[in-house]
Amino acid sequence: QKEVEQNSGPLSVPEGAIASLNCTYSDRVSQSFFWYRQYSGKSPELIMSIYSNGDKEDGRFTAQLNKASQYVSLLIRDSQPSDSATYLCAVNMAGGFKTIFGAGTRLFVKA
Amino acid sequence: DARVTQTPRHKVTEMGQEVTMRCQPILGHNTVFWYRQTMMQGLELLAYFRNRAPLDDSGMPKDRFSAEMPDATLATLKIQPSEPRDSAVYFCASGWGQGYEQFFGPGTRLTVL
Repeated sequence: QKEVEQNSGPLSVPEGAIASLNCTYSDRVSQSFFWYRQYSGKSPELIMSIYSNGDKEDGRFTAQLNKASQYVSLLIRDSQPSDSATYLCAVNMAGGFKTIFGAGTRLFVKA
Repeated sequence: DARVTQTPRHKVTEMGQEVTMRCQPILGHNTVFWYRQTMMQGLELLAYFRNRAPLDDSGMPKDRFSAEMPDATLATLKIQPSEPRDSAVYFCASGWGQGYEQFFGPGTRLTVL
């Protein structure tokens, strides 16, 4: 089992719809969770971090964390073509600085 | 506008040659990470430093890779000798405190022929 798992996609949604991206992780004691966006040919860019159970909203983005289920998700409301990118889930291993990245989910938003 | 910088942005070299990649972390950041990204393996952590001290380099092939931080403004990643399988994009990232939130540089695209 991979430490951080994501559906590779591609996930295709129409413009204006909600895009839902999911991630599961294996280390039960992980404490910090992140979503990065990576456009083709560019570097990953941090868009959300979440540290406690529940929802965290920032503009059109909502991160959801359920530690009991070892599950993190990212919702993008009112999806735009500019949201088309690969979204990387990242989990920090408890007790250290090591962050493990998932393989990423490719999102396509159709105009 | 604080950013992580990396040089060179592109490098093409022949098998067996030494490759040195450089990274300048964001001023004030005390945690530096080196990653390698390929289509097959995704984003792999190679090594990371806190306050210039190496904390973990278990992701690096020890016989050919080395990572150092000669000062707080410079991190280096060397490959000697390089091999075609080292072809990838190498990213440097920096953070502060525990380094949980990482800010990535633009990457060095390495091609080993």
